[in-house]
Amino acid sequence: DQQVKQNSPSLSVQEGRISILNCDYTNSMFDYFLWYKKYPAEGPTFLISISSIKDKNEDGRFTVFLNKSAKHLSLHIVPSQPGDSAVYFCAASVRRNFNKFYFGSGTKLNVKP
Amino acid sequence: DVKVTQSSRYLVKRTGEKVFLECVQDMDHENMFWYRQDPGLGLRLIYFSYDVKMKEKGDIPEGYSVSREKKERFSLILESASTNQTSMYLCASSPILGVDEQYFGPGTRLTVT
Repeated sequence: DQQVKQNSPSLSVQEGRISILNCDYTNSMFDYFLWYKKYPAEGPTFLISISSIKDKNEDGRFTVFLNKSAKHLSLHIVPSQPGDSAVYFCAASVRRNFNKFYFGSGTKLNVKP
Repeated sequence: DVKVTQSSRYLVKRTGEKVFLECVQDMDHENMFWYRQDPGLGLRLIYFSYDVKMKEKGDIPEGYSVSREKKERFSLILESASTNQTSMYLCASSPILGVDEQYFGPGTRLTVT
């Protein structure tokens, strides 16, 4: 059974608006969470991360929110740009455990001009 | 910049063939990982290695083996390829334990006919 789930396979947003991508996890031992972005024919690239001691981390247009009690994290992109169109994967890890990640199934974001 | 390279972008093999997928990283990273990416399933860890000649099974090791004879190189071996191993294979590396993100190669699209 998948320990990290992204229940929305796709999301379409107008340029300039907010994109919200969601991710749920089941393992309460996870203490580090990451978002990766993947363009077609390329490997995933790291976007932003958050430790379980925080509930928010911001980097430019990207903000990740963590709700530990709900075992839920979300990625907000404001404002969305057409170049943000990609597949977004969330990942979770137990940091002591060899940096081993568990990935969600991905959400394909389409930002319309 | 960290660079992770994979020997082939596209590969077509026949059922029963032995297949080698090669991955090389140039940043002296201790950890290396092999994933497969399938639609709706995200990235699933096959094997990882935290040192030369050391390997650990991931979540889906059946039908695969790995080799790490040199720090920079991590090979994935399909002993007898089967059609259900048709997938995108991604290699990643990361520095020592507890450091944040993994760096991915561009992937190898393997088709087994």
